Amino acid sequence: FVVTQSPTSLPVTLGQPASLSCRSNESVIHTDGNSYLNWYQQRPGQSPRRLIYKISNRDSGVPDRFSGSGSGTDFTLKINRVEAEDLGVYYCMQGTHWPPMYTFGPGTKLEI
Amino acid sequence: EVQLVQSGAEVKKPGESLKISCKASGYTFTDYWIGWVRQVPGKGLEWMGLVYPGDSQTTYSPSFQGQVTISADKSTGIAYLQWNTLKASDTAIYFCARGDSVQYWGQGTLVSVSS
Repeated sequence: FVVTQSPTSLPVTLGQPASLSCRSNESVIHTDGNSYLNWYQQRPGQSPRRLIYKISNRDSGVPDRFSGSGSGTDFTLKINRVEAEDLGVYYCMQGTHWPPMYTFGPGTKLEI
Repeated sequence: EVQLVQSGAEVKKPGESLKISCKASGYTFTDYWIGWVRQVPGKGLEWMGLVYPGDSQTTYSPSFQGQVTISADKSTGIAYLQWNTLKASDTAIYFCARGDSVQYWGQGTLVSVSS
């Protein structure tokens, strides 16, 4: 199972929107009807932090400028207005094909 | 509150053995898979494998099968990642994370392997 992300690096302007893409080579729709596709933020020197689960559900404490969308094999994380604290690397991860394993995408680095 | 607290940084030589730990609290340890994620400096996240503390069942990514051992002690609520023979290429940060929705993460353990 392969997950890809684009772009590898995304230069942004503070206050402007940003859009990050994630694609899987197989559908992430589980037999239970859910799609287990998460988004994580990793700031420099920190552990990953889950932002979005099951494609579009925001975790508690995550600012509403973050939103997730998509279905099947194509997914998007959007940031309405980028703030300085948003800089870092963003990973998508599939959990539908667990077991045997979860799979991360290679990440998108959000930078000025 | 769910917490995963990892052991401290390690500096080792090639050929040495190592076991690092991840102590879980705030939930029933035996109810959830718990696993390990590798991050080579400057690179992305890779799942290594997971263990189910309820019955010690394990699953490994093909890249890590036979290279490491993942285990859990349900009496103490601690998960482990173990190497018998370290290589320089094992230098990385290792994170533990709880399975199911993969929301909870440890703070990471830096392992440096150099002669």
